[in-house]
Amino acid sequence: EAGVAQSPRYKIIEKRQSVAFWCNPISGHATLYWYQQILGQGPKLLIQFQNNGVVDDSQLPKDRFSAERLKGVDSTLKIQPAKLEDSAVYLCASSKGHQETQYFGPGTRLLVL
Amino acid sequence: DQQVKQNSPSLSVQEGRISILNCDYTNSMFDYFLWYKKYPAEGPTFLISISSIKDKNEDGRFTVFLNKSAKHLSLHIVPSQPGDSAVYFCAASKGGSEKLVFGKGTKLTVNP
Repeated sequence: EAGVAQSPRYKIIEKRQSVAFWCNPISGHATLYWYQQILGQGPKLLIQFQNNGVVDDSQLPKDRFSAERLKGVDSTLKIQPAKLEDSAVYLCASSKGHQETQYFGPGTRLLVL
Repeated sequence: DQQVKQNSPSLSVQEGRISILNCDYTNSMFDYFLWYKKYPAEGPTFLISISSIKDKNEDGRFTVFLNKSAKHLSLHIVPSQPGDSAVYFCAASKGGSEKLVFGKGTKLTVNP
């Protein structure tokens, strides 16, 4: 079974630029999550989708971050404009559904200069 | 405010010995706890979990203990192997929510 795919794996941008990350969850997984992991910290949930609807986006900085999950499969996370403090690893995870195990992708490491 | 705390940033043990990783939580509403393992340049991998109705869950070399009164859980790895060297994250969720709250992680090094 293929795992969660993410791209790109690495991205370097300058502050005030925009960036987008892509995630393809495990086939058949209804729930998709985006996490931000800052160096030295644990992952922090940014947004959770159930199919193509948002379940929780309480910790998403909506003035600069946006995410969508069209057709309930792939998802993109966008930052516009980026700030220095957005430098982190962005992890995508998916699960079959309610209270099922979350499987993580390898992450996208973002560096904002 | 950190609701899930892993106070030891690192731990070093000899191969074959026991590794004990600790985790404390502050939110009494948490009722489901998990441990994830993370290798460099990879995403976290689920290891083991425990519900608040239990005080112990075992899976092969890995055992998680939960002390609800102390709001403390621990992960025991016996025997430890060099391949166990990784960062271990403790996570918690509450009331049927799928939202996981993670600790900062403990880096385990198992020396041959």
